[in-house]
Amino acid sequence: EVQLVESGGGLIQPGGSLRLACATSGFTFNNYWMHWVRQAPGKGLEWVSRINRDGSEANYADSVKGRFTITRDNAKSTVSLQMNGLTGEDTAIYFCGKIGGGAVPVDVWGKGITVTVSS
Amino acid sequence: DIQMTQSPSSLSASVGDRVTITCRASQDIGIYLAWYQHKPGTVPILLISTASTLQSGVPSRFGGTKSGTDFTLTISSLQPEDVATYYCQKYNTAPWTFGQGTKVEIK
Repeated sequence: EVQLVESGGGLIQPGGSLRLACATSGFTFNNYWMHWVRQAPGKGLEWVSRINRDGSEANYADSVKGRFTITRDNAKSTVSLQMNGLTGEDTAIYFCGKIGGGAVPVDVWGKGITVTVSS
Repeated sequence: DIQMTQSPSSLSASVGDRVTITCRASQDIGIYLAWYQHKPGTVPILLISTASTLQSGVPSRFGGTKSGTDFTLTISSLQPEDVATYYCQKYNTAPWTFGQGTKVEIK
Protein backbone atom coordinates (compact mmCIF):
# COMPACT_ATOMS: atom_id res chain seq x y z
CA GLU A 1 0.00 0.00 0.00
CA VAL A 2 1.30 3.42 -0.96
CA GLN A 3 1.72 5.68 2.07
CA LEU A 4 2.86 9.27 2.44
CA VAL A 5 3.22 10.79 5.89
CA GLU A 6 4.05 14.43 6.44
CA SER A 7 5.80 15.77 9.52
CA GLY A 8 7.50 18.92 10.78
CA GLY A 9 4.57 21.28 10.94
CA GLY A 10 3.61 23.52 13.82
CA LEU A 11 3.42 27.09 15.04
CA ILE A 12 6.17 29.44 13.87
CA GLN A 13 6.67 33.17 14.17
CA PRO A 14 6.63 35.40 11.11
CA GLY A 15 10.04 35.48 9.48
CA GLY A 16 10.89 32.07 10.82
CA SER A 17 11.82 28.83 9.08
CA LEU A 18 10.35 25.37 9.10
CA ARG A 19 11.25 22.14 7.35
CA LEU A 20 8.51 19.75 6.33
CA ALA A 21 9.26 16.13 5.55
CA CYS A 22 7.23 13.50 3.74
CA ALA A 23 8.12 9.87 4.44
CA THR A 24 6.93 7.44 1.82
CA SER A 25 6.54 3.70 1.43
CA GLY A 26 4.85 1.15 -0.78
CA PHE A 27 6.27 2.26 -4.14
CA THR A 28 9.60 2.72 -5.89
CA PHE A 29 10.24 6.29 -4.72
CA ASN A 30 12.97 7.21 -7.17
CA ASN A 31 10.67 6.48 -10.13
CA TYR A 32 8.29 9.36 -9.38
CA TRP A 33 8.21 13.12 -9.32
CA MET A 34 6.94 14.42 -5.98
CA HIS A 35 4.80 17.47 -5.25
CA TRP A 36 3.69 19.74 -2.43
CA VAL A 37 0.38 21.59 -2.40
CA ARG A 38 -1.29 23.58 0.35
CA GLN A 39 -4.67 24.81 1.46
CA ALA A 40 -4.94 27.97 3.52
CA PRO A 41 -7.89 28.30 5.91
CA GLY A 42 -11.07 28.93 3.95
CA LYS A 43 -9.20 28.91 0.64
CA GLY A 44 -8.74 26.53 -2.25
CA LEU A 45 -5.90 24.22 -3.13
CA GLU A 46 -2.66 25.90 -4.17
CA TRP A 47 0.15 24.04 -5.95
CA VAL A 48 3.48 24.82 -4.24
CA SER A 49 6.37 22.86 -5.72
CA ARG A 50 7.56 19.72 -7.46
CA ILE A 51 10.85 17.84 -7.83
CA ASN A 52 11.97 15.38 -10.45
CA ARG A 53 13.09 11.82 -9.89
CA ASP A 54 16.76 12.42 -9.17
CA GLY A 55 16.36 15.79 -7.49
CA SER A 56 18.09 17.76 -10.25
CA GLU A 57 15.05 19.79 -11.28
CA ALA A 58 12.53 21.67 -9.16
CA ASN A 59 9.72 24.12 -9.85
CA TYR A 60 7.91 26.53 -7.54
CA ALA A 61 4.80 28.65 -7.40
CA ASP A 62 5.57 32.36 -7.68
CA SER A 63 4.20 32.84 -4.15
CA VAL A 64 7.02 30.76 -2.62
CA LYS A 65 9.85 31.14 -5.14
CA GLY A 66 13.07 32.20 -3.45
CA ARG A 67 11.79 31.27 0.01
CA PHE A 68 10.95 27.56 -0.26
CA THR A 69 13.27 24.76 -1.38
CA ILE A 70 12.17 21.23 -2.22
CA THR A 71 14.64 18.37 -1.94
CA ARG A 72 14.51 14.60 -1.89
CA ASP A 73 16.53 11.74 -0.44
CA ASN A 74 16.01 8.69 -2.62
CA ALA A 75 17.93 6.48 -0.19
CA LYS A 76 15.39 7.31 2.52
CA SER A 77 12.34 7.68 0.23
CA THR A 78 11.59 11.10 1.60
CA VAL A 79 10.86 14.51 0.13
CA SER A 80 11.30 17.71 2.11
CA LEU A 81 10.20 21.31 1.88
CA GLN A 82 12.43 23.92 3.51
CA MET A 83 10.38 27.02 4.16
CA ASN A 84 12.12 30.30 5.01
CA GLY A 85 10.85 33.83 5.51
CA LEU A 86 7.43 32.58 6.55
CA THR A 87 4.47 34.95 6.66
CA GLY A 88 0.84 34.62 7.67
CA GLU A 89 0.01 33.90 4.04
CA ASP A 90 1.92 30.61 4.40
CA THR A 91 -0.46 29.38 7.10
CA ALA A 92 -2.02 26.29 5.59
CA ILE A 93 -2.31 22.55 5.55
CA TYR A 94 0.52 21.19 3.44
CA PHE A 95 0.09 17.95 1.49
CA CYS A 96 2.77 15.96 -0.24
CA GLY A 97 1.83 13.86 -3.23
CA LYS A 98 3.24 11.43 -5.76
CA ILE A 99 2.35 11.46 -9.41
CA GLY A 100 0.86 8.47 -11.10
CA GLY A 101 2.42 6.67 -14.02
CA GLY A 102 2.24 7.91 -17.59
CA ALA A 103 0.12 11.02 -17.99
CA VAL A 104 -1.49 10.78 -14.57
CA PRO A 105 -0.96 13.72 -12.19
CA VAL A 106 -0.79 13.39 -8.43
CA ASP A 107 -2.84 10.33 -7.53
CA VAL A 108 -1.87 9.75 -3.91
CA TRP A 109 -1.62 12.37 -1.19
CA GLY A 110 -0.48 12.35 2.40
CA LYS A 111 -2.98 13.31 5.08
CA GLY A 112 -1.43 16.76 5.37
CA ILE A 113 0.38 18.73 8.07
CA THR A 114 -0.62 22.06 9.52
CA VAL A 115 1.69 25.07 9.46
CA THR A 116 0.60 28.15 11.40
CA VAL A 117 2.57 31.36 11.09
CA SER A 118 1.66 33.73 13.89
CA SER A 119 3.25 35.82 16.61
CA ASP B 1 1.72 31.77 -16.50
CA ILE B 2 -1.44 30.07 -17.71
CA GLN B 3 -4.51 30.94 -15.68
CA MET B 4 -7.31 28.49 -14.89
CA THR B 5 -10.76 30.02 -14.50
CA GLN B 6 -13.27 27.69 -12.88
CA SER B 7 -17.01 28.31 -12.64
CA PRO B 8 -19.30 28.45 -10.84
CA SER B 9 -17.72 29.01 -7.45
CA SER B 10 -20.61 27.18 -5.83
CA LEU B 11 -23.80 25.42 -6.78
CA SER B 12 -26.75 23.78 -5.11
CA ALA B 13 -28.63 20.98 -6.84
CA SER B 14 -31.06 18.23 -6.00
CA VAL B 15 -30.21 14.55 -5.71
CA GLY B 16 -30.41 13.06 -9.18
CA ASP B 17 -29.70 16.34 -10.98
CA ARG B 18 -27.07 16.67 -13.69
CA VAL B 19 -24.30 19.00 -12.54
CA THR B 20 -21.73 20.72 -14.76
CA ILE B 21 -18.55 22.52 -13.70
CA THR B 22 -16.39 24.37 -16.19
CA CYS B 23 -12.69 25.22 -16.24
CA ARG B 24 -11.16 27.49 -18.88
CA ALA B 25 -7.43 27.70 -19.54
CA SER B 26 -6.01 31.02 -20.69
CA GLN B 27 -3.80 29.18 -23.21
CA ASP B 28 -3.63 25.77 -24.82
CA ILE B 29 -2.80 23.04 -22.29
CA GLY B 30 -3.54 20.10 -24.57
CA ILE B 31 -5.28 17.33 -22.66
CA TYR B 32 -3.34 17.86 -19.42
CA LEU B 33 -6.24 18.70 -17.18
CA ALA B 34 -7.22 16.86 -14.02
CA TRP B 35 -10.28 17.02 -11.78
CA TYR B 36 -10.11 16.45 -8.02
CA GLN B 37 -12.78 16.03 -5.38
CA HIS B 38 -11.95 17.39 -1.92
CA LYS B 39 -14.03 16.95 1.20
CA PRO B 40 -13.20 18.85 4.42
CA GLY B 41 -10.72 17.03 6.63
CA THR B 42 -9.78 14.54 3.94
CA VAL B 43 -7.23 14.34 1.13
CA PRO B 44 -8.06 15.28 -2.46
CA ILE B 45 -9.22 12.42 -4.65
CA LEU B 46 -8.19 12.29 -8.30
CA LEU B 47 -11.34 11.76 -10.36
CA ILE B 48 -10.22 12.38 -13.92
CA SER B 49 -6.87 12.76 -15.70
CA THR B 50 -6.03 13.79 -19.28
CA ALA B 51 -9.32 15.70 -19.42
CA SER B 52 -11.56 12.66 -19.73
CA THR B 53 -9.93 9.52 -18.31
CA LEU B 54 -11.87 8.27 -15.31
CA GLN B 55 -9.62 6.95 -12.56
CA SER B 56 -10.07 3.42 -11.28
CA GLY B 57 -12.75 3.20 -8.60
CA VAL B 58 -14.41 6.49 -9.48
CA PRO B 59 -18.16 6.14 -10.10
CA SER B 60 -19.20 6.29 -13.75
CA ARG B 61 -21.56 9.20 -13.06
CA PHE B 62 -18.45 11.42 -13.20
CA GLY B 63 -17.27 12.43 -16.65
CA GLY B 64 -14.89 14.93 -18.22
CA THR B 65 -14.80 16.58 -21.63
CA LYS B 66 -12.58 19.03 -23.50
CA SER B 67 -13.41 21.58 -26.14
CA GLY B 68 -10.44 23.70 -27.08
CA THR B 69 -9.29 25.34 -23.86
CA ASP B 70 -12.61 24.69 -22.11
CA PHE B 71 -12.95 21.66 -19.87
CA THR B 72 -16.06 20.32 -18.20
CA LEU B 73 -16.70 18.00 -15.28
CA THR B 74 -20.16 16.49 -15.30
CA ILE B 75 -21.88 14.56 -12.55
CA SER B 76 -24.72 12.85 -14.40
CA SER B 77 -26.85 12.14 -11.33
CA LEU B 78 -25.84 13.98 -8.17
CA GLN B 79 -25.65 11.82 -5.05
CA PRO B 80 -25.44 12.92 -1.39
CA GLU B 81 -21.87 11.61 -1.13
CA ASP B 82 -20.82 13.97 -3.94
CA VAL B 83 -21.04 16.99 -1.63
CA ALA B 84 -17.51 18.37 -1.84
CA THR B 85 -15.38 21.01 -3.47
CA TYR B 86 -14.15 20.18 -6.96
CA TYR B 87 -10.95 21.54 -8.48
CA CYS B 88 -9.49 21.46 -11.93
CA GLN B 89 -5.70 21.47 -12.30
CA LYS B 90 -3.51 21.98 -15.34
CA TYR B 91 -0.42 19.81 -15.52
CA ASN B 92 1.12 20.31 -18.94
CA THR B 93 3.95 22.45 -17.53
CA ALA B 94 4.84 24.03 -14.20
CA PRO B 95 3.21 25.73 -12.39
CA TRP B 96 0.49 23.09 -12.00
CA THR B 97 -2.19 25.67 -11.29
CA PHE B 98 -5.51 24.76 -9.71
CA GLY B 99 -8.80 26.40 -10.52
CA GLN B 100 -10.51 28.34 -7.76
CA GLY B 101 -12.77 25.42 -6.83
CA THR B 102 -16.50 24.73 -7.03
CA LYS B 103 -18.40 23.92 -3.86
CA VAL B 104 -21.22 21.49 -4.57
CA GLU B 105 -24.12 21.22 -2.13
CA ILE B 106 -27.43 19.39 -2.06
CA LYS B 107 -30.57 21.50 -2.31
